[in-house]
Amino acid sequence: EAGVAQSPRYKIIEKRQSVAFWCNPISGHATLYWYQQILGQGPKLLIQFQNNGVVDDSQLPKDRFSAERLKGVDSTLKIQPAKLEDSAVYLCASSFSRLAQDEQYFGPGTRLTVT
Amino acid sequence: EDQVTQSPEALRLQEGESSSLNCSYTVSGLRGLFWYRQDPGKGPEFLFTLYSAGEEKEKERLKATLTKKESFLHITAPKPEDSATYLCAVRVGGSNYKLTFGKGTLLTVNP
Repeated sequence: EAGVAQSPRYKIIEKRQSVAFWCNPISGHATLYWYQQILGQGPKLLIQFQNNGVVDDSQLPKDRFSAERLKGVDSTLKIQPAKLEDSAVYLCASSFSRLAQDEQYFGPGTRLTVT
Repeated sequence: EDQVTQSPEALRLQEGESSSLNCSYTVSGLRGLFWYRQDPGKGPEFLFTLYSAGEEKEKERLKATLTKKESFLHITAPKPEDSATYLCAVRVGGSNYKLTFGKGTLLTVNP
C-alpha cells in the first residue's frame, strides 16, 4: 500500500513570498490533516478535511494560510505572505475516517525555511 | 485546554539499558492515547493506541501502559536502531476527534 505523498520535500523562500505544498493521501482515506511541526515541538493540527469539507480549521492562521481539498483526494496548503515564524515542517496525514479508533498515517513532510 | 507533557525531553541510554518514557495528560473525555515514533526527516510512525486505564500493549522491545493521568513507554534492552523521537498524543471526544501532541522525547541509544 502506497503511503502519504508530499511535495516538495524542501522549500526555501524569503519573507512575504508565497508558497504551496501538495499532499496525496492513502487511497480510500476520507480524512486528511495538515500539521505544522516547529523544531523541538510536536505536530500541531492546522486543518482537518472530511472528504472535501473542512471539519476543523480553528488553529489555521486564516489571514495568511489557506487549504483546499478539491474532489476529496489531493490537498494543497498555501501560505501568502510567509513570515519568519512559519519556518517549520508541514506534515500531511490521512486516516480512513475521523472515528476515534482510526490511526493517522503521516507523510514525510515539507521542510519550509523562511529567510 | 487539553495538555500533554512528555518527560524527559531527552534520554541517552547504553545498548541494553532499559528505561521508561513518560506522558502525562490533562484532558476531558479521553478517546485514546497514541504513541508515535519519529525518525529525523520523516513523519511520525504509529506505534500504539491505548483506550482505558490498565490497558497495555507490546511491540518488540516496546511496551505501552496507561493510567488515568499518564502513560509510560517502557523500552526493554534497547538497541541503537531504537534511537528516535517518541511522541505521545491524546484524542478527545467531539466532532473531529483531533490529536493533541506532546513535544516528544528524543531517545539516543549508544552501542
